[in-house]
Amino acid sequence: EPEVTQTPSHQVTQMGQEVILRCVPISNHLYFYWYRQILGQKVEFLVSFYNNEISEKSEIFDDQFSVERPDGSNFTLKIRSTKLEDSAMYFCASYRSGSYEQYFGPGTRLTVT
Amino acid sequence: KQEVTQIPAALSVPEGENLVLNCSFTDSAIYNLQWFRQDPGKGLTSLLLIQSSQREQTSGRLNASLDKSSGRSTLYIAASQPGDSATYLCAVTTGTYKYIFGTGTRLKVLA
Repeated sequence: EPEVTQTPSHQVTQMGQEVILRCVPISNHLYFYWYRQILGQKVEFLVSFYNNEISEKSEIFDDQFSVERPDGSNFTLKIRSTKLEDSAMYFCASYRSGSYEQYFGPGTRLTVT
Repeated sequence: KQEVTQIPAALSVPEGENLVLNCSFTDSAIYNLQWFRQDPGKGLTSLLLIQSSQREQTSGRLNASLDKSSGRSTLYIAASQPGDSATYLCAVTTGTYKYIFGTGTRLKVLA
């Protein structure tokens, strides 16, 4: 069964460094999402992406964040200058038109020291 | 603004009990409601998805119901087992298709 994959599973970085989190959505899906979950808190929407552009973003998704689909398979989330409060689990999700069910990846745990 | 609340926040039950987890949402204009399971430090495992036109979905020992008009969903777990111990999340999708998650119910089933 097709699944969403994410790499790396765990990333440790120092404050102020740039990080790129990678996702490979299911191949025939056209809508892509990033969510994050700070430890002990709820899962929060960050951004949605369709047709090579952002369709919606939350107030969390400020200028430090960017998303890109650099090729036909990858979907990336970049954080330009990480802060301690960016430490969280980041989930990628995708869905195809018509079903509305999003399929989630296993997550990348980002630790900012 | 859509808000999703789950009650109780935590629940501890002896093995074999039937239990009900509750999810409520403030805006009834949803497309789907989905229940997930999350083990500590892990990802999201989809359990059941109920489309807005449906009233319930069943999978094995799990049954989820949806009452859009009252803004409520329940997840019923029959004959609970220690392996059911996890956090259960509900999420709704709205007009922009993003998921809005509740804070979860942390379930512990005692052997």
